[in-house]
Amino acid sequence: KAGVTQTPRYLIKTRGQQVTLSCSPISGHRSVSWYQQTPGQGLQFLFEYFSETQRNKGNFPGRFSGRQFSNSRSEMNVSTLELGDSALYLCASSLGAAGGSYEQYFGPGTRLTVT
Amino acid sequence: AQSVTQLGSHVSVSEGALVLLRCNYSSSVPPYLFWYVQYPNQGLQLLLKYTSAATLVKGINGFEAEFKKSETSFHLTKPSAHMSDAAEYFCAVRGRSGGSNYKLTFGKGTLLTVNP
Repeated sequence: KAGVTQTPRYLIKTRGQQVTLSCSPISGHRSVSWYQQTPGQGLQFLFEYFSETQRNKGNFPGRFSGRQFSNSRSEMNVSTLELGDSALYLCASSLGAAGGSYEQYFGPGTRLTVT
Repeated sequence: AQSVTQLGSHVSVSEGALVLLRCNYSSSVPPYLFWYVQYPNQGLQLLLKYTSAATLVKGINGFEAEFKKSETSFHLTKPSAHMSDAAEYFCAVRGRSGGSNYKLTFGKGTLLTVNP
């Protein structure tokens, strides 16, 4: 089975711009979660989608948004980029039933640099 | 709310020595617990998980972890370190109930260095 894929792998944007990141989960997985990883804050949960619905949301401003399509692929969008948004954005997929022990499988991440 | 504490942001061992990475969790009920490893410029790879079936969990690459409810701990060990084990390790907790608890909460990570 192919793993979780994320595109693009690297991205450079300037302050004020917006960006869209894409994630394709493992075939058959219905849940997609997004995380932001920075040296200072570590791994922080952004949001989770299951069957096209946002099931959980972390403590991030409204500039961060996401969506999931019927084929379980997911996108996250960051508007009005700030320097502090520079980070590795990780996508993870799982089978997804709520409360289950289903482990999450991570993609390689998208490295976003905001200048 | 659930939380994870990893003791020691950096652990250094010699090749062949015991690896011990510490993780303590806070949760109102025994949660699901995971250890992930991250190599430079890569995503996270699952090493092992605890789901309550057995307190001693064996994972990939010779790693294992023991769930101790009385100590709220889930420490990761490997009897003999290999150079290829050098990476950053993350402990994570996921709740069993309550909508917001379903998300993974990660510790700050422990960077493992293996000296020849």
